Amino acid sequence: SQTIHQWPATLVQPVGSPLSLECTVEGTSNPNLYWYRQAAGRGLQLLFYSVGIGQISSEVPQNLSASRPQDRQFILSSKKLLLSDSGFYLCAWNTGQGQVNEQFFGPGTRLTVL
Amino acid sequence: GQQVMQIPQYQHVQEGEDFTTYCNSSTTLSNIQWYKQRPGGHPVFLIQLVKSGEVKKQKRLTFQFGEAKKNSSLHITATQTTDVGTYFCAGRGGSNYKLTFGKGTLLTVNP
Repeated sequence: SQTIHQWPATLVQPVGSPLSLECTVEGTSNPNLYWYRQAAGRGLQLLFYSVGIGQISSEVPQNLSASRPQDRQFILSSKKLLLSDSGFYLCAWNTGQGQVNEQFFGPGTRLTVL
Repeated sequence: GQQVMQIPQYQHVQEGEDFTTYCNSSTTLSNIQWYKQRPGGHPVFLIQLVKSGEVKKQKRLTFQFGEAKKNSSLHITATQTTDVGTYFCAGRGGSNYKLTFGKGTLLTVNP
């Protein structure tokens, strides 16, 4: 069966520090991968998605970047965090195939920027 | 770009009362999905609707997709405390890869 991992689960970082969040998927190959951010009490904002290794589509201009160095690994990064980067970061995957193409979410990383 | 509006933002009910959340898209959708996020958890897929006018049921949950494929609703009959959480609709439009999520409806149930 497929599983999705995210780490760390929680993170407290000072303003101006770098960020690296990692997401890995097991049990499938060539998944579509997604990074979402959820501000407190708000909806899901799509940040990046990737349909293959090295292929990144950015949805919202910001000081974040994403990379996909391996088929089942998706990394979210920042060189200098802002206060507004605080939130709940969710990684998700789907197959891009089949009639019902739901997204499967990881457990998320709760980031607080102080 | 595509926008998906969802109302209400919050709904508090007494256990046993019904609950409905509504979703409207600015553009015609190829399909719409519904997710539930328990407090402190991550979104979990509930169902997908594809056909115009489609109605699907899962026990006490009834999902509808509008005739014009621009709106949808989720109705819960006789809510229980286990129904607590945020319900999101997510529409798929022109892109086969992206879902546009509504802001969600937070349901709280008073036992």
